[in-house]
Formats: sequence, C-alpha cells, structure tokens
Amino acid sequence: AQSVTQPDIHITVSEGASLELRCNYSYGATPYLFWYVQSPGQGLQLLLKYFSGDTLVQGIKGFEAEFKRSQSSFNLRKPSVHWSDAAEYFCAVAPAWGGATNKLIFGTGTLLAVQP
Amino acid sequence: DAGVTQSPTHLIKTRGQQVTLRCSPKSGHDTVSWYQQALGQGPQFIFQYYEEEERQRGNFPDRFSGHQFPNYSSELNVNALLLGDSALYLCASSYGTQALSSYNEQFFGPGTRLTVL
Repeated sequence: AQSVTQPDIHITVSEGASLELRCNYSYGATPYLFWYVQSPGQGLQLLLKYFSGDTLVQGIKGFEAEFKRSQSSFNLRKPSVHWSDAAEYFCAVAPAWGGATNKLIFGTGTLLAVQP
Repeated sequence: DAGVTQSPTHLIKTRGQQVTLRCSPKSGHDTVSWYQQALGQGPQFIFQYYEEEERQRGNFPDRFSGHQFPNYSSELNVNALLLGDSALYLCASSYGTQALSSYNEQFFGPGTRLTVL
C-alpha cells in the first residue's frame, strides 16, 4: 500500500539551531515528493518538491530536502531555525505517472515548536 | 490574485444533517481537489473535479459527493453526517490534467472547519 511515514509527531528546537524532519515513503516506484507547511488558520504552503535529477532540492524560507532512493527517504532540513518556522510540516507523495494532477498522499505531520 | 478561497470558514452541524462546502479556485485554474484533514492527521484525498466531472476518487463513501460549475468553482456535499466527519476540509486547485511540466502544482485554500455534534 502507498504510504508516507513521518516518525516524529512533535519536535522542539531552539531558535538558531539546525533542523531535520524525517520522511519515509512506501511506493511501487519513485513518486513525486513534496514538503508542505501549515500554520494555524492557514492552508498548506508548498516548501519544495522533487521530481527527478539532483537529489538535493532547495525550497523557500531557507529549507532544503534530500532524496535518498536507497532509503526511500526525503528528509527536510534547515541550518538555522527562526521562531516564525513554528508550524506543522507535512511530507507528501504523488504518483509520477497517469496524470499531471494526481492526488497527494500525506504523512501525519510533524509539529515543530521553536524555543527562544 | 485572491488565491483559493473557501466558504464558510467554520460550520457546526448535528448528526444526520447535510452540509455543502464551497471552493473558488485560483485564477486560471480549472481543476479542483478536495481533502479531509482530521485532527492530528494529514490531509486525505476525497475526489478531484475537472471539466465538471469527477476524475479521481479516494476511499470515501458515497455520502461524499461533489460538483464543479462552468466557472470551475466547486462544492463538496456530505449527507447523513457522522461525528467522524468532523474535520478541516481543504480545497486545492491546479491547472489541467495534462502535464505542463512533470506535475501541475496544487494550491490549497485555508479550509472549512466542520464540527459535527
């Protein structure tokens, strides 16, 4: 079955510290990969995406993610966290075939808290 | 550009009632997808509309139905509401089902919070 696992439900980091949010997926073939962020009262905002090519992708707000095919992982990183990064982060996949607007399959999310 | 808009923002219903949620896509978009996000969970795909037809459907019962209008706006209808239908309902819009690139990005609205008592 197709699934996305985010093993960390809640993470707390200090402002200025580095961050890594984990994501593993289970799929028949390499899907398209995404990270979204959701702030309270806001819709989901796309941080970055991976389709093919360079396995290290850069996104908005200083985030990056690395695709590792051998580990079926797509971990999100940021070298220095800002208080405004406190939000919920979702990893998602979409099939890389059969249509250009295929449904997204989301993980359960990681809630990030930032300590001053 | 107003982006994706949804109405209402919040809604309270009782079990057995019916509800209609509305979505206006981002300007230039013609495809609308609906997702259900239960508390503490990630969004789950309900269905997608393109050219006024349901094109894809997730694992949701027939109580969940939708419609797309000629102006590309969409409605989500849920009949015979259950307590378990309480959730944030997200609408996402995108352009077309043919690839402009390798994937046509979905843009999300702020959602409608449905509470079933």
